[in-house]
Amino acid sequence: DTAVSQTPKYLVTQMGNDKSIKCEQNLGHDTMYWYKQDSKKFLKIMFSYNNKELIINETVPNRFSPKSPDKAHLNLHINSLELGDSAVYFCASSKKTGGDQPQHFGDGTRLSIL
Amino acid sequence: SQQGEEDPQALSIQEGENATMNCSYKTSINNLQWYRQNSGRGLVHLILIRSNEREKHSGRLRVTLDTSKKSSSLLITASRAADTASYFCACMDSSYKLIFGSGTRLLVRP
Repeated sequence: DTAVSQTPKYLVTQMGNDKSIKCEQNLGHDTMYWYKQDSKKFLKIMFSYNNKELIINETVPNRFSPKSPDKAHLNLHINSLELGDSAVYFCASSKKTGGDQPQHFGDGTRLSIL
Repeated sequence: SQQGEEDPQALSIQEGENATMNCSYKTSINNLQWYRQNSGRGLVHLILIRSNEREKHSGRLRVTLDTSKKSSSLLITASRAADTASYFCACMDSSYKLIFGSGTRLLVRP
């Protein structure tokens, strides 16, 4: 069974569209994350939720809105997509927030804006 | 700003050789973690070293941490072709955010 699964794996869409990426983890973890990896492979935290509550919100445009319906799911909705949003988006989870907690990553969603 | 920075950016070695990757960071940390990323896949956690530890081993991996120099190294011994991947260091800062470096691309030639 996949521990952290993201859908879709690939997303190709036009500038200005709205799209969502879904993430689910079956590890029983309390904390989930969204990261963005740019073309230079630099990975940057966007959001973190602990048991459905937002705890980290980096300097991300408000076109990006995370939603956590329960602690096993963290979705990412992006409005009015721009060319600069093209990247790979990774979902991750950890047992708890902070401390000595390794993070478990999904395989990413490759978003391409035309 | 970017916390961890890896050196070298790319490394090519022969199977059986050792690979050493270095990471430098800027501020105080709770712990430092190393992750591997195979092409087209997510990151996989390899090893975590706490700020009060100096060295840690896991199988063929050896990690060192020098907090006075704000640096860490990852040594992979007796490398295999399957070790070909990108390796990232990540620093857990005081607000419990994991800040990643830009990675070292390792190629192990069979």
